[in-house]
Amino acid sequence: KAGVTQTPRYLIKTRGQQVTLSCSPISGHRSVSWYQQTPGQGLQFLFEYFSETQRNKGNFPGRFSGRQFSNSRSEMNVSTLELGDSALYLCASSQSLTGELFFGEGSRLTVL
Amino acid sequence: DQQVKQNSPSLSVQEGRISILNCDYTNSMFDYFLWYKKYPAEGPTFLISISSIKDKNEDGRFTVFLNKSAKHLSLHIVPSQPGDSAVYFCAASRGTGANNLFFGTGTRLTVIP
Repeated sequence: KAGVTQTPRYLIKTRGQQVTLSCSPISGHRSVSWYQQTPGQGLQFLFEYFSETQRNKGNFPGRFSGRQFSNSRSEMNVSTLELGDSALYLCASSQSLTGELFFGEGSRLTVL
Repeated sequence: DQQVKQNSPSLSVQEGRISILNCDYTNSMFDYFLWYKKYPAEGPTFLISISSIKDKNEDGRFTVFLNKSAKHLSLHIVPSQPGDSAVYFCAASRGTGANNLFFGTGTRLTVIP
């Protein structure tokens, strides 16, 4: 069974640009959550989607947004990129809102 | 405000010895605790967990201890193996949903052959 797939794996952007990251969950998983990992901050929760609805949102500015499609695939978008947005963005899927999280390999974003 | 803290960013241990990774938390509402392991270029994977009604959970070489009064948990790996070299994240939950799961900053364990 294929795991959680995130694309792209690596990308470099400049300040002010926007970026879209994609996450394909494990087949049958309906919940997708996103995390930002930075050195010294650990994994910070961004948002959680279930059945195309955002269920929860972390403490991030409105520049961070996301959505989930009917096939459970999810995208997150960051607009007006700042240097501090450089991080590893991890996606995790689970069968339900209470299920075990399975993480993807992450998308490493570098903002110059 | 970091509710889950791992104060040791790194730890080096000789192969065959015990590795002890520590984690402290501040929220007394947390009722479930987990450890995740992360290799470079891979996502974190679940390792072991413990409910707040227990003080110890063991799975092979891995044991997690919970001290609720001290708001402290630890992960013991015995014996340590080179393949255990990874970053270990402690996480605590106060209910269901990913928004109720709080991660520590991680400890990089290096097991020296």
